[in-house]
Amino acid sequence: AQSVAQPEDQVNVAEGNPLTVKCTYSVSGNPYLFWYVQYPNRGLQFLLKYITGDNLVKGSYGFEAEFNKSQTSFHLKKPSALVSDSALYFCAVRETEYGTDKLIFGTGTRLQVFP
Amino acid sequence: SQTIHQWPATLVQPVGSPLSLECTVEGTSNPNLYWYRQAAGRGLQLLFYSVGIGQISSEVPQNLSASRPQDRQFILSSKKLLLSDSGFYLCAWRVTYNEQFFGPGTRLTVL
Repeated sequence: AQSVAQPEDQVNVAEGNPLTVKCTYSVSGNPYLFWYVQYPNRGLQFLLKYITGDNLVKGSYGFEAEFNKSQTSFHLKKPSALVSDSALYFCAVRETEYGTDKLIFGTGTRLQVFP
Repeated sequence: SQTIHQWPATLVQPVGSPLSLECTVEGTSNPNLYWYRQAAGRGLQLLFYSVGIGQISSEVPQNLSASRPQDRQFILSSKKLLLSDSGFYLCAWRVTYNEQFFGPGTRLTVL
């Protein structure tokens, strides 16, 4: 079965510093990977995805993620964090059961950016 | 453009009462639709998904049920709520290349 792991419950970073939110995956076949962000009491917002192609994927709000096949990782990054980036971040992988397009989510990482 | 609605936004219900949460999408046809539950502000649990009218697949056996009476309508129900049903319920639909677009959510508190 497909799965993703987010090893950190919380990441703290000072505003202006680079940030990394970690995600590792376990899939059979080629992975379809996603990052979502959730602000308090809101639905999830799509940030970026990796389907195929370049290992460095650029997404919304200045975020990017690097797909690393040898390390089975898909870490989310941003060169300079903003206080407004503080939120809950989810990594997800597509379930390969045909036609359903189910997403399997990680447990989430809370990002706290301090001024 | 595509839009997804959920209502109510918040709901407080006593244990043993029935439940009906509604999700509708606009601007698309024959979407795949999904119900998730998020407990304690963390991980998402897929409850149900639907690939078409009347087609429901359950991921987790429990006292909830789902129905899809129309192409763009997805309903989550319960005959008798439990305390453990409290949580944040999210509806989603598939956009393109497998990304899903989420509704604003319904916060359910069972007392």
